[in-house]
Amino acid sequence: AQKVTQAQTEISVVEKEDVTLDCVYETRDTTYYLFWYKQPPSGELVFLIRRNSFDEQNEISGRYSWNFQKSTSSFNFTITASQVVDSAVYFCALSDDQGGSEKLVFGKGTKLTVNP
Amino acid sequence: DAGVIQSPRHEVTEMGQEVTLRCKPISGHDYLFWYRQTMMRGLELLIYFNNNVPIDDSGMPEDRFSAKMPNASFSTLKIQPSEPRDSAVYFCASSLASTGGTDTQYFGPGTRLTVL
Repeated sequence: AQKVTQAQTEISVVEKEDVTLDCVYETRDTTYYLFWYKQPPSGELVFLIRRNSFDEQNEISGRYSWNFQKSTSSFNFTITASQVVDSAVYFCALSDDQGGSEKLVFGKGTKLTVNP
Repeated sequence: DAGVIQSPRHEVTEMGQEVTLRCKPISGHDYLFWYRQTMMRGLELLIYFNNNVPIDDSGMPEDRFSAKMPNASFSTLKIQPSEPRDSAVYFCASSLASTGGTDTQYFGPGTRLTVL
């Protein structure tokens, strides 16, 4: 069965610290897609990244980076030099053929608080 | 470009009343999704459409919930009669039809529903 686990319920850091949000997924498919979304206090869900299972290259976008490791079924998200505006709930999500190719299964989310 | 549009943004109603939530997907997108977010259950997919046709409604909680997509630019989620346990944030999302696997879902701002 497909499943996404975000073991960290809440994380609190001080501004300028680096922080890593963990995401572990379960799937029996060899073809699948992983996503990260950000939900700031205003409530909207903002797309951050989409990654397919055949692309294991790490990705960097500004202060954001993602580490995809198939060997450990993990797709972790790191924010470098965190800022107060990074405070949000971050969701990891999985889509594979088992669940219906367009369906996303979300983790429970990690609430990140960046303190000044 | 306009994103996914949802209305109303907030709805307060009394138990037993009919509630209709509305969504306009991003122009050109072929898939439309309805999600519900609660503290207890997180983000749950209720139903999704492809080219205006319902594909999977297995997440619809019960017969009180119904969804329609009469055309490519409009969808409704109706709850009749509403109950206090339906209180949640309801999100609509849309995505392109992709031959390259699951495409990115873009979310609307959500409708916060409170049933008294």
